[in-house]
Amino acid sequence: QKEVEQNSGPLSVPEGAIASLNCTYSDRGSQSFFWYRQYSGKSPELIMSIYSNGDKEDGRFTAQLNKASQYVSLLIRDSQPSDSATYLCALNTGGFKTIFGAGTRLFVKA
Amino acid sequence: GAVVSQHPSWVICKSGTSVKIECRSLDFQATTMFWYRQFPKQSLMLMATSNEGSKATYEQGVEKDKFLINHASLTLSTLTVTSAHPEDSSFYICSADMPGGSGNTIYFGEGSWLTVV
Repeated sequence: QKEVEQNSGPLSVPEGAIASLNCTYSDRGSQSFFWYRQYSGKSPELIMSIYSNGDKEDGRFTAQLNKASQYVSLLIRDSQPSDSATYLCALNTGGFKTIFGAGTRLFVKA
Repeated sequence: GAVVSQHPSWVICKSGTSVKIECRSLDFQATTMFWYRQFPKQSLMLMATSNEGSKATYEQGVEKDKFLINHASLTLSTLTVTSAHPEDSSFYICSADMPGGSGNTIYFGEGSWLTVV
């Protein structure tokens, strides 16, 4: 089992819809969780971090963490074509190494 | 604004030559930096972990004599691709570990496109 698993997609949603991106992980000791967005040909940029169970909202983005079920998700409300990108889930178990998922490609149709 | 700066953004070099890419942490000290390579439409591949003041730790399959990493200061790590060949053409990205109250957070540089002709 991979340490961080994401559906590679592509996930296709119409403009204005909610995009739901999911990530599961294997190490129960994971403490910090992150979502990065990577546009084609660009480097990843941090969009959300979450450390506690529950929801964390930032504008149109909501990160959800459930440590008991070992999953973290990212919801994008009112999806825009500019949200089309690859979204990387990442986690840190408390050491120096952050582990990344392979990413989910999101396509928002205008 | 950017917290990690990478230079150059793109570089073209002749086969057999060496190319150096710099990664700087801005306004914070990074004892640990990371180097990745990414081919088109593929996932990030961690190449090595750069530790300030000590030797880099390379991932399995990455040639340490070909990809030289130097982390001589707390704000600068460099990756030198030696004797570059066309198959080394790729997108190279660095990242730095920023310490924080809730734990470390990874920030990425802008990336460097390397084309070997």
